[in-house]
Amino acid sequence: DTAVSQTPKYLVTQMGNDKSIKCEQNLGHDTMYWYKQDSKKFLKIMFSYNNKELIINETVPNRFSPKSPDKAHLNLHINSLELGDSAVYFCASSLTGTGIGGTDTQYFGPGTRLTVL
Amino acid sequence: GDSVTQMEGPVTLSEEAFLTINCTYTATGYPSLFWYVQYPGEGLQLLLKATKADDKGSNKGFEATYRKETTSFHLEKGSVQVSDSAVYFCALTGNTPLVFGKGTRLSVIA
Repeated sequence: DTAVSQTPKYLVTQMGNDKSIKCEQNLGHDTMYWYKQDSKKFLKIMFSYNNKELIINETVPNRFSPKSPDKAHLNLHINSLELGDSAVYFCASSLTGTGIGGTDTQYFGPGTRLTVL
Repeated sequence: GDSVTQMEGPVTLSEEAFLTINCTYTATGYPSLFWYVQYPGEGLQLLLKATKADDKGSNKGFEATYRKETTSFHLEKGSVQVSDSAVYFCALTGNTPLVFGKGTRLSVIA
């Protein structure tokens, strides 16, 4: 069974559109994350949620809004897409923790490649 | 703030060669250190980790030792295989969320 899954795997859309990426984990973890990986493979955290509560919100434009309906899901909604939003977005989860410090392993989903035309 | 610096790639090696990927860090306090690996078209997977000074993490023939005196966590493998071709990320977490280095692409040729 897939531990952390994301849909869709690929997303191609026009500038100005609104889109969502879904993430689900079946590991029973308390903490979930969204990361952005740019074209040079640089990875940066965007958000983390612990038990459905927002813990980390890095300097991400407010066009990006995460939503956690329950602790197994963390979806990412993006409004008014821009060319610079093109990237691979990874969801991840860890057993405990706030995402700050700690030794918990983070388990990553397969990624969603977003292309904005 | 906390940061990780790892050697620029790409690194190309022949099968059975010795691998070293350098990683140094800057952090306040006592961070935990990680190596993650990303195979083509996949998400990241934890390769190994170390949570305190002088700890050695090891997995699948890879090793890295947490060196506080040199603030380093270099990744080594004695004999690489074609299947080790991937991007390797050094990372830390301390008083910050997980911070990644820029990744080192390794290509192993038969």
